[in-house]
Amino acid sequence: SQKIEQNSEALNIQEGKTATLTCNYTNYSPAYLQWYRQDPGRGPVFLLLIRENEKEKRKERLKVTFDTTLKQSLFHITASQPADSATYLCARRNSGNTPLVFGKGTRLSVIA
Amino acid sequence: EAQVTQNPRYLITVTGKKLTVTCSQNMNHEYMSWYRQDPGLGLRQIYYSMNVEVTDKGDVPEGYKVSRKEKRNFPLILESPSPNQTSLYFCASSTSTSGGGTDTQYFGPGTRLTVL
Repeated sequence: SQKIEQNSEALNIQEGKTATLTCNYTNYSPAYLQWYRQDPGRGPVFLLLIRENEKEKRKERLKVTFDTTLKQSLFHITASQPADSATYLCARRNSGNTPLVFGKGTRLSVIA
Repeated sequence: EAQVTQNPRYLITVTGKKLTVTCSQNMNHEYMSWYRQDPGLGLRQIYYSMNVEVTDKGDVPEGYKVSRKEKRNFPLILESPSPNQTSLYFCASSTSTSGGGTDTQYFGPGTRLTVL
């Protein structure tokens, strides 16, 4: 089956630094990958989507890359702030109408 | 305001007592789904629906039922809840992926269910 893995369960980073989170997938590349933010006890909120044929996508301080050779997506938060502390999830849809599959998430803590 | 609503937000019940968690969206989305989230296991899909009267099993459907009689509503039914169904449940909706669309999920606020 197609898997998606976020290898780091937790990441601590100092305020002002760039946080980089990793999402790896197996087998064939999905048409796109999605990234979500989830705060404790709340539903995930969509942040960015990157398509297979896009190398990079940006939104304000966020940047996502898609490397089909490494089978990996990187999620960057530049100039990180304590308010960026949350769990970040990546997700893929394998094909057609199959269920969306989420990684287990990486819990980011930005320390002032 | 575009949103997905769930009720109740918190529920404590006992084993075997049937319950329904409601989900409603006001975005005219075709696609709706239910997830459960457990520590260390992440988000796992229970059931999804591509449109009215069309439902299908996700990764962990055992012990759950759903129905999709109207486009906006997608209730989750636990006929005989058991303690292993204690979890945080999320409903989500999205547009169809047909025609090149993407399925960006809009999540509800969550329902924390405890089965004693």
